[in-house]
Amino acid sequence: DAKTTQPNSMESNEEEPVHLPCNHSTISGTDYIHWYRQLPSQGPEYVIHGLTSNVNNRMASLAIAEDRKSSTLILHRATLRDAAVYYCIGARSGMRFGAGTRLTVKP
Amino acid sequence: DTGVSQNPRHKITKRGQNVTFRCDPISEHNRLYWYRQTLGQGPEFLTYFQNEAQLEKSRLLSDRFSAERPKGSFSTLEIQRTEQGDSAMYLCASSLGSGVAFFGQGTRLTVV
Repeated sequence: DAKTTQPNSMESNEEEPVHLPCNHSTISGTDYIHWYRQLPSQGPEYVIHGLTSNVNNRMASLAIAEDRKSSTLILHRATLRDAAVYYCIGARSGMRFGAGTRLTVKP
Repeated sequence: DTGVSQNPRHKITKRGQNVTFRCDPISEHNRLYWYRQTLGQGPEFLTYFQNEAQLEKSRLLSDRFSAERPKGSFSTLEIQRTEQGDSAMYLCASSLGSGVAFFGQGTRLTVV
């Protein structure tokens, strides 16, 4: 799996957009980019994934750089319930998590 | 509930005892993963199965840890001769191929 680098923490105000970056410069051409988040005292939950094209779902958008060496998870309007640790993974076989980004949402 | 189920949810054991955890994946999922997570850290990969075959095992995993998935359905993770450093949350996840992984709620192990 590709090594990923994310900021340790980020802050956002409620109802503002949040852009969570991830660098995955060693990603191979067939590795999907997955994002998961983990709320306090829960197991990780899937957010979104993509290969080359930008992706949208009801939770978030994923913007993938043209060279695929980085991606950005976009939460369009952060809510207090979005406060969590967000993990970016370049997944092929055994998915390996890094330390993730702890997102704090301020009211 | 048709999600990933882990049992027990909590386990307290004395140092030196053996413990076994069970994971029931989503029924049609052929991949099953085990992770360990300590406070403030991301989930640490332990091993994964495709059907009944254990395809990868972390080099960090000591010989005291063993996992099985005998019929390609549920899986067990056994820790022998537990140590205090084994205290952690043990997470199981399943997926269909390399698709989206769904996680269970975890088993919290406390070794006293």
